[in-house]
Amino acid sequence: EPEVTQTPSHQVTQMGQEVILRCVPISNHLYFYWYRQILGQKVEFLVSFYNNEISEKSEIFDDQFSVERPDGSNFTLKIRSTKLEDSAMYFCASSEASRNTEAFFGQGTRLTVV
Amino acid sequence: RKEVEQDPGPFNVPEGATVAFNCTYSNSASQSFFWYRQDCRKEPKLLMSVYSSGNEDGRFTAQLNRASQYISLLIRDSKLSDSATYLCVVNSGLHAALFNKFYFGSGTKLNVKP
Repeated sequence: EPEVTQTPSHQVTQMGQEVILRCVPISNHLYFYWYRQILGQKVEFLVSFYNNEISEKSEIFDDQFSVERPDGSNFTLKIRSTKLEDSAMYFCASSEASRNTEAFFGQGTRLTVV
Repeated sequence: RKEVEQDPGPFNVPEGATVAFNCTYSNSASQSFFWYRQDCRKEPKLLMSVYSSGNEDGRFTAQLNRASQYISLLIRDSKLSDSATYLCVVNSGLHAALFNKFYFGSGTKLNVKP
């Protein structure tokens, strides 16, 4: 069964450092997303991406965040200068089409900023 | 007002019980609706989509009431393995014809006990 894969599963970084979280969406999907979940809290939308550009982003997704699809398979989230409050589980997701289709989630990257 | 609201629980039920979860959403233009299941520190996994006519998948029944902006999930004959957090997810894309944006409820925790 096709699945969304994310690497690494756990990333520890020092405050102020840049991190790149990587995702390989399901191959025939066209829409890609990043979500985050702070421990004990709800899943929060960060950004959606379609046709090589951001289609929507939340207020969490400020200038410190960027996304890229560097090739035909990878989808990355970069945090330029990490803060303690960026510590969370980051989930990548993809979906096939726009309406009435579910999103499939990767297993997540646990980011710990120290 | 939150986009998606759920009772956080926890619901503590014995094996074999029937349990129902409810969810309300604020955007009347929402396009599609889902129940996801999330185990501790894991990614959300699709349980079922929710259709206007109501739908059933084994022990699980989902219903949607668009007029009341209300979604429900019924689990019959609860199993120990049903213990998880159940997430109500609503697709309310900014440009609904093209883009997706999945809003998550905070989740309802279910504990099924022997």
